[in-house]
Amino acid sequence: QQKVQQSPESLSVPEGGMASLNCTSSDRNFQYFWWYRQHSGEGPKALMSIFSDGDKKEGRFTAHLNKASLHVSLHIRDSQPSDSALYFCAAYYGSSGNKLIFGIGTLLSVKP
Amino acid sequence: EAAVTQSPRNKVAVTGGKVTLSCNQTNNHNNMYWYRQDTGHGLRLIHYSYGAGSTEKGDIPDGYKASRPSQENFSLILELATPSQTSVYFCASGTGGDTQYFGPGTRLLVL
Repeated sequence: QQKVQQSPESLSVPEGGMASLNCTSSDRNFQYFWWYRQHSGEGPKALMSIFSDGDKKEGRFTAHLNKASLHVSLHIRDSQPSDSALYFCAAYYGSSGNKLIFGIGTLLSVKP
Repeated sequence: EAAVTQSPRNKVAVTGGKVTLSCNQTNNHNNMYWYRQDTGHGLRLIHYSYGAGSTEKGDIPDGYKASRPSQENFSLILELATPSQTSVYFCASGTGGDTQYFGPGTRLLVL
């Protein structure tokens, strides 16, 4: 069964700092990686997806994919207290039907 | 913004009782999903659907049934609730590998 592993489980950065989150797929037959963010008491919300090797930048968020190592990362520059949330990585494997496989999440805390 | 609503938002049930969680989406998405979220496990897929009348087993379907009577509505049914089913349940809608839109969640406590 495909799995997605995330690290670290929790992360604390100062306001204005850089946060780096990591994710690895157990199966190289993924088509996309997604990053979702969940604020306390809410449902997860999609941040961005990536399917090509290299970087994809959206504002302060940059995703980096290395297909050879089955690894994707999310970097948040100039972190803000409002970025404090649970971040999920999810992989879409077309062979598993129309569903995403989620990691367990990284809890990010941005300290003012 | 795509809209997914869930009801009830909070539910207390007794062991052995029947629980029905409801989800409604106005996105006209074919696919709908039910997940549960537990600390240390992330989001785990229980059941999903490709459209009205279809239901598929996810990764942890045991103890749960699903019903998709229409494009808009997707229900999760616990016929005989157990304390191990205490969790937060999320419904989502989407189209294949594209963005999934999640509802606000239902917090279920089984005593």
